[in-house]
Amino acid sequence: GAGVSQSPSNKVTEKGKDVELRCDPISGHTALYWYRQRLGQGLEFLIYFQGNSAPDKSGLPSDRFSAERTGESVSTLTIQRTQQEDSAVYLCASSQSGQGRNEQFFGPGTRLTVL
Amino acid sequence: GEDVEQSLFLSVREGDSSVINCTYTDSSSTYLYWYKQEPGAGLQLLTYIFSNMDMKQDQRLTVLLNKKDKHLSLRIADTQTGDSAIYFCADHGSSNTGKLIFGQGTTLQVKP
Repeated sequence: GAGVSQSPSNKVTEKGKDVELRCDPISGHTALYWYRQRLGQGLEFLIYFQGNSAPDKSGLPSDRFSAERTGESVSTLTIQRTQQEDSAVYLCASSQSGQGRNEQFFGPGTRLTVL
Repeated sequence: GEDVEQSLFLSVREGDSSVINCTYTDSSSTYLYWYKQEPGAGLQLLTYIFSNMDMKQDQRLTVLLNKKDKHLSLRIADTQTGDSAIYFCADHGSSNTGKLIFGQGTTLQVKP
């Protein structure tokens, strides 16, 4: 079946605007993750969903960041009042269960540029 | 907190072996992963190793794990130009949420 998809692939916004990033996980995957990758750096964990609940939000950098998930399907990551330091690639991953050998399948990412 | 470190750059000649190194801090790590990222593409899982193993071989890839020193390496035999990419080491750690802690990535440049 299809892999993890994300939209939009690129987003340019002005400082202070809100943005919504979307992730469609692999069908049947109960676990969903959001990561952020700043230029030239590794991935930083943001939030983990198991079903539609988020037992680990420890990576969200500030209260401007929030995420939700509908059942075991689509997730949206919302950044309010964007700042230039929010510019990064936002990656979504899904896995079957989130437990054990938890192979995570990544989407292509959304490149966010805040002017 | 948990941390994963990698060297940033490695350059090899086509046909040579490449060895990419990684160190991690979490002594209760269960699984360790190697991901590959090519320009404009998402991350692709290359291989993984469970913490009770010392070595895992998968075709041209060999993973070595030294738990005592918390050191992980990825060896690519007969490196090809198509292997040019950024390689990330990731640690599952002791989290029961499955979140991964990533290193900064090692850029592998393969010269013809």
